[in-house]
Amino acid sequence: SYELTQPPSVSVSPGQTASITCSGDKLGDNYVSWYQQQPGQSPVLVIYHDTKRPSGIPERFSGSSSGNTATLTISGTQAMDEADYYCQVWDNNLGGVFGGGTKLTVL
Amino acid sequence: QVQLLQSGPGLVKPSQTLSLTCTVSGGSINSGDYYWSWIRQPPGKGLEWIGYIYYSGSTYYNPSLKSRATISVDTSKNQFSLKLSSVTAADTAVFYCARTSTGTSVHFDYWGQGNLVTVSA
Repeated sequence: SYELTQPPSVSVSPGQTASITCSGDKLGDNYVSWYQQQPGQSPVLVIYHDTKRPSGIPERFSGSSSGNTATLTISGTQAMDEADYYCQVWDNNLGGVFGGGTKLTVL
Repeated sequence: QVQLLQSGPGLVKPSQTLSLTCTVSGGSINSGDYYWSWIRQPPGKGLEWIGYIYYSGSTYYNPSLKSRATISVDTSKNQFSLKLSSVTAADTAVFYCARTSTGTSVHFDYWGQGNLVTVSA
């Protein structure tokens, strides 16, 4: 199996920087993507290929990856960023693999 | 702008087969540039990839669901579909269809609106 581990929750004050981590034994072998999911809505891709941002995603969202840990960073966090965030990789044996998700609270 | 519109029943009886369809607009499944996936999310839980199909009909499934899931494509209607057989209450979830990029970074860039499917007698 392939497990991606995320912290269940992260809290941040408005305007501050939020960091959400994703760790996995084989993470360094795969590119990581990140999704934002607001309550009752479909997930939205915010980062792919470790660091790339789709068009329309604000610049305050950035991604990085080193060794077995990837990080989603939200700079100048806004109240609208409060959501669940999921990391994802592609494994050649298992297909799409998601982390357990992190609930970001902006307070 | 690519849009994925899902359809299908919201209630399925145990042991029966769940069926959902995803209609793509703003892009052609036939282009061959993408895979087309199904993903599910049990209430209050995380995301689970079910499988994908290519325009040619080739498929790839999550090993944990491979024996029960069947994904098919109808390029003439620009649609792809999911069937999940022998469902139980544990299959109750919101099901999403998603366009899936190919290449070195396989990710899901457009998602359908989601269908809550409840398995109950």
